[in-house]
Amino acid sequence: QKEVEQNSGPLSVPEGAIASLNCTYSDRGSQSFFWYRQYSGKSPELIMSIYSNGDKEDGRFTAQLNKASQYVSLLIRDSQPSDSATYLCAVTGNNNDMRFGAGTRLTVKP
Amino acid sequence: EAGVAQSPRYKIIEKRQSVAFWCNPISGHATLYWYQQILGQGPKLLIQFQNNGVVDDSQLPKDRFSAERLKGVDSTLKIQPAKLEDSAVYLCASSLVGSQPQHFGDGTRLSIL
Repeated sequence: QKEVEQNSGPLSVPEGAIASLNCTYSDRGSQSFFWYRQYSGKSPELIMSIYSNGDKEDGRFTAQLNKASQYVSLLIRDSQPSDSATYLCAVTGNNNDMRFGAGTRLTVKP
Repeated sequence: EAGVAQSPRYKIIEKRQSVAFWCNPISGHATLYWYQQILGQGPKLLIQFQNNGVVDDSQLPKDRFSAERLKGVDSTLKIQPAKLEDSAVYLCASSLVGSQPQHFGDGTRLSIL
């Protein structure tokens, strides 16, 4: 069983729409949750971090965490073509060891 | 604030040769990570250091890969001998402590011929 699972996509949304990215994880002891964006040929860059159940908003981005369901999601409002990238979900375990999902490729069409 | 520095950016070697990568984390960051990212996949953690001690190396192929962080600052990852399946981008990242967000370097793209 994969530790961190994401739909590989591609996910395609029109410009201005809401993009919804989902992630599930297997380790119930996980404490920290992150969303990274990775453009083709570039390194991952942090978008959001979330540590407790509920929603966390930062500009057009909202991260949602539900530890009971072992589920974390990222919503991107008013999607822009520049948001087209691969979005990586990352989860830390009890040893603070980081595990990444395979990523979801998002395409925002003008 | 200077970011995570990695070198070289690109490396091409033949199989069975050896190769080494260098990483200098952000100043003050105690935790350093090495990842392998194969095209189309998420980063795979190879080894995690807390200062100069190893926290996790469960996914490091220890028969051919080695890493060290002797003074708790910069780090070296070595592959010897390289196999074709080692072709990937090797990413170094650092964080203040293990539970905090990581900052990534630009990576080293390794091609094995």
